[in-house]
Amino acid sequence: AQTVTQSQPEMSVQEAETVTLSCTYDTSESDYYLFWYKQPPSRQMILVIRQEAYKQQNATENRFSVNFQKAAKSFSLKISDSQLGDAAMYFCAHQYNFNKFYFGSGTKLNVKP
Amino acid sequence: KAGVTQTPRYLIKTRGQQVTLSCSPISGHRSVSWYQQTPGQGLQFLFEYFSETQRNKGNFPGRFSGRQFSNSRSEMNVSTLELGDSALYLCASSLSGNEQYFGPGTRLTVT
Repeated sequence: AQTVTQSQPEMSVQEAETVTLSCTYDTSESDYYLFWYKQPPSRQMILVIRQEAYKQQNATENRFSVNFQKAAKSFSLKISDSQLGDAAMYFCAHQYNFNKFYFGSGTKLNVKP
Repeated sequence: KAGVTQTPRYLIKTRGQQVTLSCSPISGHRSVSWYQQTPGQGLQFLFEYFSETQRNKGNFPGRFSGRQFSNSRSEMNVSTLELGDSALYLCASSLSGNEQYFGPGTRLTVT
């Protein structure tokens, strides 16, 4: 079974600081994708970053980067220079076989001014 | 390009009624997926349609059904509503199958 685990229900970070959100997943697939989505209070889910399992290089999108450890089945998200607008629920997702997405339970990120 | 749109945004229904939710994907996207989001269960996959065919299905009872039209627009139907069906229903569209773009959701309240 495909499962995604986010062990941190809630985290806080000071504005301008760096925070890392954890995600582990379980899969028997060799070819898959991993994503981080952000859901602000407005409720619209926004794609933050994606990682292809076959790529060893960690994905980066501006202030967002991932630490992908395939053997450990770990996929953490690092947010640098945190901003107030980063406050949201963050969901880790695993996808394989044409749009079969599995989401973690989410981590609520609070950003303190 | 316009994003994924969902109608209606809010809906209040009575237990036992049925409801139909609509989703219009991003232009050119042929895959549409539906999710149920509740505080207790998180995001749960309902089903996915591609070119008018259901390609993937989650573990929901038969009261939950969907369809996709030739223009890729999709509808989701829930019959015999139960209080536990109260949730945010999210629709997502995809071009390649490897990234999903979400709509704003429909907030369904069952009383």
